[in-house]
Amino acid sequence: DQQVKQNSPSLSVQEGRISILNCDYTNSMFDYFLWYKKYPAEGPTFLISISSIKDKNEDGRFTVFLNKSAKHLSLHIVPSQPGDSAVYFCSGFSSGSARQLTFGSGTQLTVLP
Amino acid sequence: DAGVIQSPRHEVTEMGQEVTLRCKPISGHDYLFWYRQTMMRGLELLIYFNNNVPIDDSGMPEDRFSAKMPNASFSTLKIQPSEPRDSAVYFCASTKGQGHTGELFFGEGSRLTVL
Repeated sequence: DQQVKQNSPSLSVQEGRISILNCDYTNSMFDYFLWYKKYPAEGPTFLISISSIKDKNEDGRFTVFLNKSAKHLSLHIVPSQPGDSAVYFCSGFSSGSARQLTFGSGTQLTVLP
Repeated sequence: DAGVIQSPRHEVTEMGQEVTLRCKPISGHDYLFWYRQTMMRGLELLIYFNNNVPIDDSGMPEDRFSAKMPNASFSTLKIQPSEPRDSAVYFCASTKGQGHTGELFFGEGSRLTVL
């Protein structure tokens, strides 16, 4: 039962252009959504989050959009830089009794110089 | 500041052997999580602790897996006996506070290969 789905295993974009990473979820109990970035041989690092009561959160070049009716969120990176090349994990968090972070399968982003 | 520290970084062992993975969380963090990353299943939660007490171990795959947290600064994940299908990267993560909203701090992982 995949509660968080990232249907695109990989994405390539040109430096300076926009990167859009997509994520779908099925669990209506998630009240936060988080994006993590992972470089090879390192652990995931937190990038940006959004509360389920919001529809947009922006932090510098990174913006996350949430469409609750469609159970869909996306991460926009503008402008994309070669250092952004990494695996991006979408995740959902329930602050209820479970207090668990559930991850999607990840999308490998490659930013071409 | 030191982050989450895991050891060993790499472990190669033979089927049937006991494997112990270690984790030192960030000082002051009261939640500790063990995750496993595989190609097939991605990042999956195995178990998590709050104030050294196991809260949810429903992700632990079988009785061959056990985890302990004897004090606030140390946790172990043990596999006995190990099998080839246990080959994966095991991550430890920690965070602070009952009000946390999912922002976890991960270690660099322990890559386990069982031959």
